[in-house]
Amino acid sequence: AQRVTQPEKLLSVFKGAPVELKCNYSYSGSPELFWYVQYSRQRLQLLLRHISRESIKGFTADLNKGETSFHLKKPFAQEEDSAMYYCALRGATNKLIFGTGTLLAVQP
Amino acid sequence: NAGVTQTPKFQVLKTGQSMTLQCAQDMNHEYMSWYRQDPGMGLRLIHYSVGAGITDQGEVPNGYNVSRSTTEDFPLRLLSAAPSQTSVYFCASSFEGGAGEAFFGQGTRLTVV
Repeated sequence: AQRVTQPEKLLSVFKGAPVELKCNYSYSGSPELFWYVQYSRQRLQLLLRHISRESIKGFTADLNKGETSFHLKKPFAQEEDSAMYYCALRGATNKLIFGTGTLLAVQP
Repeated sequence: NAGVTQTPKFQVLKTGQSMTLQCAQDMNHEYMSWYRQDPGMGLRLIHYSVGAGITDQGEVPNGYNVSRSTTEDFPLRLLSAAPSQTSVYFCASSFEGGAGEAFFGQGTRLTVV
């Protein structure tokens, strides 16, 4: 079965502080992993995917198969990063399953 | 380019009423899916489709029906609405599975009283 766990419902940091949003997954095969973001009053959109190995808006995420984790990191948070962040997994059945989400609040 | 379009944006239903949430995409995507978003629960997959004529159940399919007669449209039907179906519903589509990006509609906020 596919499962995505985001242990933090809310993460509050000050502007300029480092950010780490945690994501752990459970899947027996080789999953595709994603981070999606939902800014206030906007639709959900892709932030990054593990296969691309790229940095988007200063965010990076590394797939750790040993720890089954895909944590999202940014060295210096900005106020415009405040949003709901969802970790997601797609397996061989092509179902895209989401975690419960973490609300990131960046304080000035 | 319209992308993924959902209608209506808001809806209030009485318990027992039926309705259809519409979803259309103009990107010729094969994959389409429906999610519900509830506080503390994240997005939960209701039904999905890998192509016209093919649908399958997600995590929370009970109380919902879908069909996929065309590539563009993927309507979600509530046959007999219940207060537990009060939620925000999102439709998504993607060109392929695997690492393909999912594009989302703007959501439908449904209240069942």
